[in-house]
Amino acid sequence: NAGVTQTPKFQVLKTGQSMTLQCAQDMNHNSMYWYRQDPGMGLRLIYYSASEGTTDKGEVPNGYNVSRLNKREFSLRLESAAPSQTSVYFCASSEAAQGNTIYFGEGSWLTVV
Amino acid sequence: ILNVEQSPQSLHVQEGDSTNFTCSFPSSNFYALHWYRWETAKSPEALFVMTLNGDEKKKGRISATLNTKEGYSYLYIKGSQPEDSATYLCAFIGGGSNYKLTFGKGTLLTVNP
Repeated sequence: NAGVTQTPKFQVLKTGQSMTLQCAQDMNHNSMYWYRQDPGMGLRLIYYSASEGTTDKGEVPNGYNVSRLNKREFSLRLESAAPSQTSVYFCASSEAAQGNTIYFGEGSWLTVV
Repeated sequence: ILNVEQSPQSLHVQEGDSTNFTCSFPSSNFYALHWYRWETAKSPEALFVMTLNGDEKKKGRISATLNTKEGYSYLYIKGSQPEDSATYLCAFIGGGSNYKLTFGKGTLLTVNP
């Protein structure tokens, strides 16, 4: 049962470098999400895709871009990494955006130095 | 920005104790309330999705109640076990928020053997 798979699990970047976090789900879910988790904060939504072909900004979208490549895959790109983007990133998916249970990946630990 | 508050922030109990904690959310424009359990180094896992005022849900020793009119939900754990140690997250969805989840910061439960 793969569920939601995200890569890489750990990454260290230098300020200004770019990188893409990959996410794939095998549950045939319509909606996918990217969250970040910082100490003392709740999970905060970066971007989401309610269905294939659509993407929308969440609470903290600045500095990020996303691509919903197909129904399975939703990637998050940092164009020019900043130390403020040091965080744990979670990809998630749900059957639909309307309040369904969300299934999370295992997280990607990103450090920007 | 929606305000979802969880209390207490952390809780230490002894094995066998029963415990409960609170999630407060806006009482207007309610759509759904989620509870998730998040163990260290793992991904959050869904416990309950609650949609109706007065809802009570149960899974084993864990149960939850919902009061949408006053804007709170309680999570109860009966006879806590060390394996219940985790962060418990609630997440609110308002009808006017494009069905996006807003997470609280969580309650960290530690059950001492």
